Amino acid sequence: AQTVTQSQPEMSVQEAETVTLSCTYDTSENNYYLFWYKQPPSRQMILVIRQEAYKQQNATENRFSVNFQKAAKSFSLKISDSQLGDTAMYFCALENRNSGNTPLVFGKGTRLSVIA
Amino acid sequence: ETGVTQSPTHLIKTRGQQVTLRCSSQSGHNTVSWYQQALGQGPQFIFQYYREEENGRGNFPPRFSGLQFPNYSSELNVNALELDDSALYLCASSSGTSGANVLTFGAGSRLTVL
Repeated sequence: AQTVTQSQPEMSVQEAETVTLSCTYDTSENNYYLFWYKQPPSRQMILVIRQEAYKQQNATENRFSVNFQKAAKSFSLKISDSQLGDTAMYFCALENRNSGNTPLVFGKGTRLSVIA
Repeated sequence: ETGVTQSPTHLIKTRGQQVTLRCSSQSGHNTVSWYQQALGQGPQFIFQYYREEENGRGNFPPRFSGLQFPNYSSELNVNALELDDSALYLCASSSGTSGANVLTFGAGSRLTVL
C-alpha cells in the first residue's frame, strides 16, 4: 500500500519570507510521480509542482521548488518570497507510474497562512 | 479552453436518500476521476472512468457508482446516503490514465447528509 504523510497540520510565514512544507511517503514501487497541490478557499485543487521519481534533479516552478530525497522517501516543498495569495491548504500526493490506473494518494494536508 | 465544472456546488440530503453529482471534463480530456474529501482530510480516490468504462476503483462500497458519457462528462451516484458520506466530492479530468497526464480538478460539490 502507498501512504503519504504530512506531519505539519498548520504553518505560518511572513510575507516575502521562505517556508518549507514537509512530506514523507511510502511505496514499494520504483517508478512513480510526486506532486504538490494547492487548495485555496475556492476549493479547486491546483497543481503546484510535479517530480518524476527517476529524475534526480529537483523540480522548480518559479518561486516553488522541491527537495526530493528518494532514499529517504522525502519530498518537501519550498516556497520563496511568500505572497498573500499563497495562503491555502497544500497537499502532497503520490502516483504509481507503472499501473494503467494510477490514482493519486494524498496526504492530510498542511494549512499555510501567509501573514502581511 | 474550458476547465472542469461540477454541479451542484452545495447540496443537503437526508440519510437514506440518493444523490447524483455531475462533472463536465475539460475540453480534449477523455478520463475522469472522482475523489471524496472529508473535512480536514486529503482527497480519497473513488473511481476513474476512461472512454465510458470504469478503469479502477478505490475502497468504496457498491452504493457509490458512476457513469461517463460519450462527451466524456461524468456522474457520481450515491445510494442509501449515510452521515459519513458528508464531504466535498472532487472531479478531475485528464487526457489519459497515467501519471504523465496531469489532472485538472473542478471546484467540487459539497454534500451534507443530515
